[in-house]
Amino acid sequence: GIQVEQSPPDLILQEGANSTLRCNFSDSVNNLQWFHQNPWGQLINLFYIPSGTKQNGRLSATTVATERYSLLYISSSQTTDSGVYFCAVNYGGATNKLIFGTGTLLAVQP
Amino acid sequence: DTEVTQTPKHLVMGMTNKKSLKCEQHMGHRAMYWYKQKAKKPPELMFVYSYEKLSINESVPSRFSPECPNSSLLNLHLHALQPEDSALYLCASSSAGTGFDTQYFGPGTRLTVL
Repeated sequence: GIQVEQSPPDLILQEGANSTLRCNFSDSVNNLQWFHQNPWGQLINLFYIPSGTKQNGRLSATTVATERYSLLYISSSQTTDSGVYFCAVNYGGATNKLIFGTGTLLAVQP
Repeated sequence: DTEVTQTPKHLVMGMTNKKSLKCEQHMGHRAMYWYKQKAKKPPELMFVYSYEKLSINESVPSRFSPECPNSSLLNLHLHALQPEDSALYLCASSSAGTGFDTQYFGPGTRLTVL
């Protein structure tokens, strides 16, 4: 099956710093989503981005489908950005079976 | 309104108990999902319902029994669970269950089996 690896696994930032999170996947995908899981467990949708670039406030994402990776950029980080960031992909198949990546645990310190 | 609700938020049960987790969405979505997430791991798919029919069962033990009474509701019935079943159970929905949908997740039920 498809492998979805994220890097780095852990990241500590000072408030105001910028960061780039990476998601590599081993096969072609139909669908790629980025999520932020807050400390209470809620998975919050950030982007639906099977290809191209999108921006939403301080966050932006780029997926290069032909090279099988996606990047999530966080600028001017805030303590509320802390949590785990997951990418998730759907590949092949008609049903939306999401395969989650390994996650990046982000801690933003004041 | 992109909201999926789940009840209860927390559940503690013994190995002989029967309990149910509930999930509801009012976005008109026709696909609903159950995921299981162990501590410090990513979510893993358990079941998919598409147009109220079970379309995927990821070889989940029979002590977990899903039910989709209508297009807005999804239940997960629990019976004779083991302590290793303790986890965060997440429900999600998407518009049609195709490979191109966006999935929206509920806040989860944190289950502890004693």
